[in-house]
Amino acid sequence: QVQLVESGGGVVQPGGSLSLSCAASGFTFNNVGIHWLRQAPGKGLEWVAFLNWDGSNKYHADSLKGRFAVSRDNSRDALSLQMSSLTIEDTALYYCATQATRGGWTAFDRWGQGTLVTVSS
Amino acid sequence: QSVLTQPASLSGYYGQTITISCTGSRGNIGASNYVSWYQQHPGKAPKFIIYDVDKRPSGVSDRFSGSKSDETASLTISGLQVEDEADYYCCAYAGSGTFVIFGGGTKLTVL
Repeated sequence: QVQLVESGGGVVQPGGSLSLSCAASGFTFNNVGIHWLRQAPGKGLEWVAFLNWDGSNKYHADSLKGRFAVSRDNSRDALSLQMSSLTIEDTALYYCATQATRGGWTAFDRWGQGTLVTVSS
Repeated sequence: QSVLTQPASLSGYYGQTITISCTGSRGNIGASNYVSWYQQHPGKAPKFIIYDVDKRPSGVSDRFSGSKSDETASLTISGLQVEDEADYYCCAYAGSGTFVIFGGGTKLTVL
């Protein structure tokens, strides 16, 4: 059974840091690119970052201004998102999703259930 | 404010056909066929229903179809079912730097 499970969310103060994880199972993790996306409460979807199958190519949304960094450990079938200098606007449900074999950058075929990050003083 | 513009809400009667539009620009929808659509029920993760403008992933009902004309993509749902009531998001590739953008979402109500 294909599964992505995010963890690491919680409440953090403005200016703080947090690390999210995405654990994969049920498929060959080291063959696929993985994206992070987020959704603020009651709002739409926003793309955050992408990491290709072996971690050699990383891309992040310009709007994040270098505050977020994505990495992966294929030996553990796991992906991480390191977030720093967090602001209230970063409050959201964070999803990891696999990139489909067809459809390019916009094709996210498997999603986790998300982990909630709340930035609040 | 999203770069891709969708109607905030739409409604249709059971069994009818509806179309959700997604308007972008020459820099995104108008520039490539990397356009996808997602369905999201309340409290659930999004579901991948259309890619490359008009292709359906395996297992997605053929009642869902996609199209594109210039800078506007569209999702058509035929034979509306109660379970189609959800939020729908379009997604497009916007080139290096921005990479991926979404529409603001359309809340579909089945009457």
